[in-house]
Formats: sequence, structure tokens, C-alpha cells
Amino acid sequence: EIVLTQSPATLSLSPGERATLSCRASQSVSSYLAWYQQKPGQAPRLLIYDASNRATGIPARFSGSGSETDFTLTISSLEPEDFAIYYCQQRSNWPQTFGGGTKVEIK
Amino acid sequence: EVQLVESGGGLVQPGGSLRLSCAASGFTFSNYAMSWVRQALGKGLEWVSAVTVSGGGTYYADSVKGRFTISRDNSKNTLYLQMTSLRADDTAVYFCAKGGMVRGVKPFDPWGQGTLVTVSS
Repeated sequence: EIVLTQSPATLSLSPGERATLSCRASQSVSSYLAWYQQKPGQAPRLLIYDASNRATGIPARFSGSGSETDFTLTISSLEPEDFAIYYCQQRSNWPQTFGGGTKVEIK
Repeated sequence: EVQLVESGGGLVQPGGSLRLSCAASGFTFSNYAMSWVRQALGKGLEWVSAVTVSGGGTYYADSVKGRFTISRDNSKNTLYLQMTSLRADDTAVYFCAKGGMVRGVKPFDPWGQGTLVTVSS
């Protein structure tokens, strides 16, 4: 099973600041890496798929990069609605696995 | 607009069974793989199961293999998850999601609102 490790666990930032979230895979997942955003009481929402492709309707301030084992989600300038938990997920191999999440909180 | 609406959750005793349903609309259901993902309260996400477009291919997490069965009825645009031999650690919100095949076209998108399954005596 591929283990995804997200860091940091919590990111405390102010609106307008840049957020950089990391996801590291225990083995190569090629570019089959996705990012999801989840707010309290809501279902996750797909942000980025295949490492760097924005999903439909996702603002340009969200961007993804990386390949093989190291991936980054960047939020260029945090908006109030961006404070949430972010999960990475690999679909390179069965079983599909998720990282433990990074909480982006208001500083 | 794509919509996924789960139902069938509730309180069940350990060792009991439950069947979840996910009604899909707004897209051609029979053209897409479908998946179940769960989330224990306050915890992270765990992929549970996926099914191919025809229903002929099914995939399971080790934690549920042999106890859960995923299926679909393309004539009713509905996805199912039959859960048996339920344990306390199956307690979670269960989400259905469009897509989710390994190396398929897209990952899980979108997700339903979820249905809560509580396994307790």
C-alpha cells in the first residue's frame, strides 16, 4: 500500500498570505495525485487532479506541482473561504490511499 | 448539475448488516465508474470500494474485503454498498463519488453529502 505523508499537519496563516502544502508518497505514483478541500460538515471537493490540473470551477489561485513521490499544493493568496482541511490522494495503485490531511487555519 | 444522494445509513448492532444507496443524476451514470469513501468522525478519508461501469469489476479495501459488496443498477442510476458483519470501526460517514478507477480518467468528483453509519450496541 502506498503511504502518503502530508506536511505540515497544521498551517497557521493570515488572509492574503501564500500557502504551501506538501504530500510525499512512499513510492512513485507518477502524476496520479489529486488534492481535495474539505470544510466542516461538507463533502470533500476536488481541486487538482493528475498533479497539476485544476478541476472545473477551481480558482486560479490554486495550483499543483510535482511528480513521482513529491507533490505541492500552493494557494497563492488565501481567501477567507480557503481555510479548511486539504487531503492528497493517489490513484496510481490499488488500494487508492489518502494522506492524513493538512489543516489551514486562520492565524 | 451532477447530484449524488446517499441514503440507508443509521444505527446498527455489531455483527449486523446495512445497505447504502447512492442515487445519481445529472450525468450518464452508466458511463462512469463509481466509488465509496468513508470518514470516521474527526478523522481522515479512507477509500472503501469501487466498481466499473458495467459492474463486472469490483475493488475493495482490505479492511472491508469479504464483508462489503459494491454493486450498481444502471437502469436505476443507483450505486449500492451492502455491508455485513459490521464492526465498531466501520462507524463513519460514507460518501459515494463519481469516478475513482486507478489510472482512470479522473479521481473522485463530485462527492455526495454522505450518510452516517453507526455500529454500536
